[in-house]
Formats: sequence, structure tokens, C-alpha cells
Amino acid sequence: DGGITQSPKYLFRKEGQNVTLSCEQNLNHDAMYWYRQDPGQGLRLIYYSQIVNDFQKGDIAEGYSVSREKKESFPLTVTSAQKNPTAFYLCASRGVLGSNQPQHFGDGTRLSIL
Amino acid sequence: AQSVSQHNHHVILSEAASLELGCNYSYGGTVNLFWYVQYPGQHLQLLLKYFSGDPLVKGIKGFEAEFIKSKFSFNLRKPSVQWSDTAEYFCAVTDTDKLIFGTGTRLQVFP
Repeated sequence: DGGITQSPKYLFRKEGQNVTLSCEQNLNHDAMYWYRQDPGQGLRLIYYSQIVNDFQKGDIAEGYSVSREKKESFPLTVTSAQKNPTAFYLCASRGVLGSNQPQHFGDGTRLSIL
Repeated sequence: AQSVSQHNHHVILSEAASLELGCNYSYGGTVNLFWYVQYPGQHLQLLLKYFSGDPLVKGIKGFEAEFIKSKFSFNLRKPSVQWSDTAEYFCAVTDTDKLIFGTGTRLQVFP
């Protein structure tokens, strides 16, 4: 079945440590997105990529980094500069750019601080 | 920039009650509007979407939403809720190639 796979499901980070969240899609979608979900704040956009080797900052990019070396993959690194990383992270993808297709979401990764 | 407001943060209903969740977006022009649902422990799923045409949109599981351009609104409705509708509901609107989400409404339905 086509879909978006996020791993791991749960992740723990020590102070000062960088961690990378994986997002893979086999939907042949052009665009991919990373959101952070906090209680009462909805989903806030961290980074998005519309094409391979290109990405743009979202509303809360500070303390995060991404890469888009392959169409299928859009990993998110939570760096030590992100002072409040505990959250639920959602990856999404969307088909043809400029179309009206909705975003599809992965199951999410819950990141906690040790 | 586009923004989305969901005024109901937490709604508690009994089964068979009617539901209406509010959603307003900040500015007009051509918009694409969505409602997503997140059941406990599950990923976000698309409930319904509006792109153009009939402003009354029907989605899955008996949900519908009405796009009222003059009010910048896209409220979600269901005539009779079930316990299984307990979930968090998110309204979203496109902003160029991004999707802007509201803060979500948590719905609890009691038998």
C-alpha cells in the first residue's frame, strides 16, 4: 500500500544531542512537509520541500534542519539549538505542485527529552 | 499571511446530539479548504475538502461543511454524532503551496 512512513514512533533526546526523524513516502509525491503538533497549538509548519534538493523554512524553522536528496525522503534533524523539542512531529506529502490535492500524513514521531 | 481560527477548543456532546465546529480564515481570494480528523492514536485523515463549486461539501462518516465566502467561514457539521466521533478536528486552508492549520477542536462524545 502507498503511504508515508515515519520512524521511529518514539524518540528520546538527551540534552545537547541532535536527533534525526525519518520520513519516507512511496506515493511519488513532489512536495513534503514537516509539522510540529503541540497541545492547543494545532500543527505548525517547520520546513517544506516542493522539489528534490530544495526546501523552504516554515513558521518555526529555528533549531531544525532538513534535507531532500531523494524524492521519497525528507528527514528532519532536531538540533541542540531547539530548546523545547518535546512534541509530536508529523510528516506529510502532497502530489503534483499547483494542484488541489490534499496532504497525506504519516503516523508521527513523538520526541521527548531525557 | 493566511491564518485559520477555530474558536471551539473543546466540545463535549452526548451521542445523537448535533455538531457544528467553527472555522474562519483570514483573507479571501481563491482558497482551498480542508477538515482533517485525528482519532486517538491514529494519523491525520482527510474528512472533506472544498476547492470550488457547490459550497456545501459532503465528506466521510456523515460529516459536511459549508463554505460561506462572505463570512470567510468553513464550518463543519454532523446532524447526529456517535461515540466513535471522539477525536481532534483540524481546519486547514491553503496558502500558496503550504497548508495552514487551525489550533484544533477536541471533541468528546459520551454514550
